[in-house]
Amino acid sequence: AQTVTQSQPEMSVQEAETVTLSCTYDTSESDYYLFWYKQPPSRQMILVIRQEAYKQQNATENRFSVNFQKAAKSFSLKISDSQLGDAAMYFCAYRTAYSGAGSYQLTFGKGTKLSVIP
Amino acid sequence: KAGVTQTPRYLIKTRGQQVTLSCSPISGHRSVSWYQQTPGQGLQFLFEYFSETQRNKGNFPGRFSGRQFSNSRSEMNVSTLELGDSALYLCASRPTSPLREGYTFGSGTRLTVV
Repeated sequence: AQTVTQSQPEMSVQEAETVTLSCTYDTSESDYYLFWYKQPPSRQMILVIRQEAYKQQNATENRFSVNFQKAAKSFSLKISDSQLGDAAMYFCAYRTAYSGAGSYQLTFGKGTKLSVIP
Repeated sequence: KAGVTQTPRYLIKTRGQQVTLSCSPISGHRSVSWYQQTPGQGLQFLFEYFSETQRNKGNFPGRFSGRQFSNSRSEMNVSTLELGDSALYLCASRPTSPLREGYTFGSGTRLTVV
């Protein structure tokens, strides 16, 4: 079974600064997808960024980028120019790329609570 | 394009009762999944449905059940509620393809069992 570990329960960053959230995972599969989701107090999980394991290039979405190290099974999220609206819980998630049963459930880490200091 | 809609947003039930939660996926999405979120256990997978068929079920007792209708709307039911069932229940939908697409989540139903 796959596991996802987020070792930082809480983090804080000054507005306009850069912060990196860590995520490691364990899997025996070679092809899979990794995601970062953001959950603000409104409770809705919002997809921040996605990485396909077969792609060596790190994904980037505006101020959000990842550092994907497949051999190390590491998938960190970097938020540049942090804004007050970035304050939220951030969850790292894993999903298989191939399922004989057609099931593509997400396996989540415990989350990192990010605070942004004005 | 409407998002994933979950109803109700809040629910208070008494131990021993049963409850039904509803989820309407994004139009065209045929895959629907349910997750339970608690402070202690985090996000745990409950079920996944595709075209009215349950594809997988998480490690939850038989009191937790679900179904999906022909219009892709899904319901989950919890019978004989226990205090430990208090949680945020999240529903998510995904397009059939491309597979790289992530799930889109609803805002959840906050269930409190007293």
